[in-house]
Order: sequence, then structure tokens, then C-alpha cells
Amino acid sequence: GAGVSQSPRYKVTKRGQDVALRCDPISGHVSLYWYRQALGQGPEFLTYFNYEAQQDKSGLPNDRFSAERPEGSISTLTIQRTEQRDSAMYRCASSLERTSGRAIGELFFGEGSRLTVL
Amino acid sequence: QKEVEQDPGPLSVPEGAIVSLNCTYSNSAFQYFMWYRQYSRKGPELLMYTYSSGNKEDGRFTAQVDKSSKYISLFIRDSQPSDSATYLCAMGGSNYKLTFGKGTLLTVNP
Repeated sequence: GAGVSQSPRYKVTKRGQDVALRCDPISGHVSLYWYRQALGQGPEFLTYFNYEAQQDKSGLPNDRFSAERPEGSISTLTIQRTEQRDSAMYRCASSLERTSGRAIGELFFGEGSRLTVL
Repeated sequence: QKEVEQDPGPLSVPEGAIVSLNCTYSNSAFQYFMWYRQYSRKGPELLMYTYSSGNKEDGRFTAQVDKSSKYISLFIRDSQPSDSATYLCAMGGSNYKLTFGKGTLLTVNP
């Protein structure tokens, strides 16, 4: 597709349920990021993949959060035993370049998956 | 103190005005600086990307970085109603993540 595609766009779930959020990056993009954006806030880093390798997961809030990108393309962010504080917009971004210690390439963001935990 | 501080506004200006947006930061390791524009219900999109101190101009937009003061600015000349959006500053250093400000909500009134 032309841009970063995320699904579902909206997800309402009950506390304690597991959810999986999917990201389909721009074709050929090497780097993939997950960010979380609360209302009225800027995006907050969660995790980063270079191809299929998860190179930084320091932003994942706790061990209920996990992410994978098994074939270096589509990624899934999974939240187990959801809590109300997990409610937020989850945004995926991809970049053509491999992120190095010297520079981050231009990030292209998807429209996000809005998660509401009741 | 947060790593990146940005006044959330809201900021309302008449069409044609010069708009000044800014962010301060505390992390000396930040090396590159970006401004993203986010329209309502959309993802952020990159507007300007600068590396180290100095100015960068692109059409009606000018980004300034002053590393000695840990201060960055975005100027919009001849503002248009289509510029109405949230503007987010973002900064990166020697790791993989960008640190974003809260965003400033700008409305340009016709």
C-alpha cells in the first residue's frame, strides 16, 4: 500500500482480555517503530525493529507488552491482560533507512489503533 | 523536568500572520531535531529535519536550532488556514528513539 497501514483502527475490550494490534509498514522499509500517544500528548517510544530483529524494547511499559516482526515486514504489538491505563492510541511508524547511532531516517506514521479498555 | 518541553497552546492567529513555535530540551545528547505536523485524527508527518545548530528553510517554514541554549523553533510565514494542525517537536540522539514534545495546537483563522 501507499502508506503505513494499521488494524484495527478502533478496539474496545474488557479489562483482562488480550489484544493484538497489527502494523503493515511501507513496502521495503527496513525500520519499524511502535509508539503510544495519549490524548494531548506527543508519541512515546515503545519499541524498534531493524528488519525482524527487535533492537530496542526499552519503552515497553511492562512484561504484558510484547512485539514481533517475524519476517521483517508486518509487525504485531500484543498486550496481555489489558488494564484501563493501557487505553491510548498506538501508532506504528516505518522508515526506509536502518536507524544507526548517527541518525534516524524520516518516520512515516500510520493512522493508529485506538485502544479503549473498559 | 521532562526531556522536551513544548507549550501546548492553543495558539490562534489570523491568516497571513507569522507563527512562532518552540521547544526546549534538557538532554545534551540530542543531535537531530524535527518538526512533525499532525492533522486531526491523522498520524504525524515530517515537516522539517535539522542536524546540529543553525537554520533551515523550506518554503514558508524555517526551523532554527540553538544547541547552546537547548532551544528549537519553527517559524511559519504567511500562515494559511490549511496550516491549522498540531505541531510536534521531536529530537533524537545516539539511540533508536525520538522523544516528542506534547505538541502545540495551531488554528489559523481566515
